[in-house]
Amino acid sequence: KAGVTQTPRYLIKTRGQQVTLSCSPISGHRSVSWYQQTPGQGLQFLFEYFSETQRNKGNFPGRFSGRQFSNSRSEMNVSTLELGDSALYLCASSPRMDGSQETQYFGPGTRLLVL
Amino acid sequence: QQQVKQSPQSLIVQKGGISIINCAYENTAFDYFPWYQQFPGKGPALLIAIRPDVSEKKEGRFTISFNKSAKQFSLHIMDSQPGDSATYFCAATEFSYNTDKLIFGTGTRLQVFP
Repeated sequence: KAGVTQTPRYLIKTRGQQVTLSCSPISGHRSVSWYQQTPGQGLQFLFEYFSETQRNKGNFPGRFSGRQFSNSRSEMNVSTLELGDSALYLCASSPRMDGSQETQYFGPGTRLLVL
Repeated sequence: QQQVKQSPQSLIVQKGGISIINCAYENTAFDYFPWYQQFPGKGPALLIAIRPDVSEKKEGRFTISFNKSAKQFSLHIMDSQPGDSATYFCAATEFSYNTDKLIFGTGTRLQVFP
């Protein structure tokens, strides 16, 4: 089974631009979560989606948004980029079936550099 | 109350030694505690996880010890190997509240020298 894939892997943008990152979960997984990883703040939860519905959102400004499609693929968007948005953005998926606890599997991340 | 505190920040261990990383939490609603291992340039990978109804879980050289009353849990890596050199994150989540949201510790950079 293929793992979680994220595209693009690397991205360079300038301040004020917007960016869209994509995540394809493991086949059959319905839950997708996004995290931001920086040296200063560590791993911070952005939002999670299940069956196209946002279930939870972290403490990030409204410039950060996301969505999930019917095939469970997810995108996150950051508008009006700031220098501080430079980070590794990680996507994780889990099956979330029948109420059972399943491991979250992380993708390799998208490294975003804002100049 | 949502924080997970992790220590130490960095750890240097000789090959064959025991590596111990500690985490503490406040939120008693947390009911699933995974440990992740991350190599440079890679996403975190699940190492081992525990629920609060058990005090210890062992998988190969990796053991989680869990103290519910103290709200602490730790990762023990026995017979540490140079290939174990990575950053380790503890995490916690309120699975029973129908969320996958993970609260991560700040990470421990482990270096194992031959």
